[in-house]
Amino acid sequence: GNSVTQMEGPVTLSEEAFLTINCTYTATGYPSLFWYVQYPGEGLQLLLKATKADDKGSNKGFEATYRKETTSFHLEKGSVQVSDSAVYFCALSLLTGNQFYFGTGTSLTVIP
Amino acid sequence: NAGVTQTPKFQVLKTGQSMTLQCAQDMNHNSMYWYRQDPGMGLRLIYYSASEGTTDKGEVPNGYNVSRLNKREFSLRLESAAPSQTSVYFCASTLDRGYSNQPQHFGDGTRLSIL
Repeated sequence: GNSVTQMEGPVTLSEEAFLTINCTYTATGYPSLFWYVQYPGEGLQLLLKATKADDKGSNKGFEATYRKETTSFHLEKGSVQVSDSAVYFCALSLLTGNQFYFGTGTSLTVIP
Repeated sequence: NAGVTQTPKFQVLKTGQSMTLQCAQDMNHNSMYWYRQDPGMGLRLIYYSASEGTTDKGEVPNGYNVSRLNKREFSLRLESAAPSQTSVYFCASTLDRGYSNQPQHFGDGTRLSIL
């Protein structure tokens, strides 16, 4: 089946620390991969995406590379800010089935 | 630039009551979705509509019904609310089936409590 597994949280970091949130997937076919961010009281917003192997998605200092050989799409940021505190979701979609599959989310808190 | 609009934002119901959650998008998207979000469980798909006039069950459809009223609107109905349906409900839309690289756009959610 299709699924997304992401690292358990919560994650607490000091400002300017390096961030990695791990995400691995299982998919029948060739998925597109996404990272969404959810700020308190809001819906999910697209953070970045990658649609084929070796693609790198990037936005607002965040990056993730589509690794087909390890079925991974880890989220990284070199220097986090307090404003990055949120819940981060890894997701995949497939051409067939018209469905998206989400990880359980990783809560990040950045302290000054 | 409204995107996906959900109403209401908050609701408290008693067990056995019914209600309809409304969702509308103004992006001319064909596909729409209803999810519920529970602590530690991420997002679970309730129903989706690939296009106007069609609906399909997702992972957790029991206790819910949906209506794709037109291309813009996709409503979710709880006929007889149960405490287990206490959750945050999100509506989402995406451009079209067959374009897997298109992301979903989400509303801000409806926070529903059932006593």
